[in-house]
This record gives sequence, structure tokens and C-alpha cells, in this order.
Amino acid sequence: KQEVTQIPAALSVPEGENLVLNCSFTDSAIYNLQWFRQDPGKGLTSLLLIQSSQREQTSGRLNASLDKSSGRSTLYIAASQPGDSATYLCVRGYQKVTFGTGTKLQVIP
Amino acid sequence: DTEVTQTPKHLVMGMTNKKSLKCEQHMGHRAMYWYKQKAKKPPELMFVYSYEKLSINESVPSRFSPECPNSSLLNLHLHALQPEDSALYLCASSQGGFSGANVLTFGAGSRLTVL
Repeated sequence: KQEVTQIPAALSVPEGENLVLNCSFTDSAIYNLQWFRQDPGKGLTSLLLIQSSQREQTSGRLNASLDKSSGRSTLYIAASQPGDSATYLCVRGYQKVTFGTGTKLQVIP
Repeated sequence: DTEVTQTPKHLVMGMTNKKSLKCEQHMGHRAMYWYKQKAKKPPELMFVYSYEKLSINESVPSRFSPECPNSSLLNLHLHALQPEDSALYLCASSQGGFSGANVLTFGAGSRLTVL
């Protein structure tokens, strides 16, 4: 069974900290890796997309990397803000689209 | 237009009611999806339409009936639901036909409560 695991499951940090969210998949074969954020009771907002031929993507304070050989992706958030508080989901695209287990982030003012 | 629009945002229904959820996109995407999400869990795939044809049904009970009238519109018809069907229902779309390489665009979701 193809699984996508996110560590940690929950994270609470003070405002201003840099942080890293991890995503790992049991099968290193991949077409693409998407990172989404989800606010409580809301839909998913796409943050970054990394194609299998790419190593990383950046958008503002966000940087996502992809290491296919180890089956891992990381989402780096610089200078965290309370507005970053949300659940972050990674999604692996291969034969099927597989969602990660999610990391719930709380940034404390 | 880069959005997936879902209506209604909230729906409360009894177990004997018939209701529908609607999803619309005007990005020219040819694959459309229904996902179900329970609290604190990732979304679970229910159905995929590719070029207006049902491509995937993840063994969803028949009380959920999807419909894709055209390439821009996706409906989910609900009948005789159970309280455990209460969840956030998410619609998504992607370019081209369905494949594992699809890049998904999600709507804001419809919160369903079954009494």
C-alpha cells in the first residue's frame, strides 16, 4: 500500500521561528508533489508544486524540496506568522494521488 | 477564472431527504473529483470523472450518486444518507484527463450535516 506520512502530526511554535515540515512516501516513484494548506472547515489551498524533474520550488517565505531517492519532501516556512496557522498536507502524484497524514501548525503571537 | 466553486457551503438534511451538491469550474479542466473529509483526517477520494465519464468509483455507497452533465459541472446527489455521512465534501479539478500526474485545484468545500 502506498503511504504518505507527515511528521510531526502537530507543531506549536512562537511567531518568527523558521520551521520545517516533513513528508515521506513509502514508494519513491513520483510524478509530482503538491503542498496544500487547509484552514479549519475550509477547502485546500495549493502552496507549491514540485514536478519529479525538479529539486525545489519557492514562493515568498515558503520553500519546498523534493528528494526522490529517499522518498522525502520538506516544506520550509521562514519567519512564521500567526496567519500561517493551519493544517499542511502533502500530496504525492503517481499512479494514484495520495494524501499525506497532515501536520497541524499553530504559530503563537 | 482559476477557481472551483462549490455550492452550497453548508447543508443540513434529514435521513429521508434528497439533496444535491454542486461543483463548477471554468478553467477547461477535463477531470473532476469528489472527496470526502472527516474531521482531522485527510480527504478520501470518492469519484473521478474524466472527459465527462466516470473513471473511478472508490466503492462508494449508492446513496451517493455523482453526475457530470458537462465538462464544467459536477454534481453529487444525496439520498437516504446516514448521520455518519456528515463531513466536508470537497470538489477538485485538474487539466487533461485523469492520471496520477494530475495537479489538483480544490473548491472551498460543502459542509454536510445529516440529522
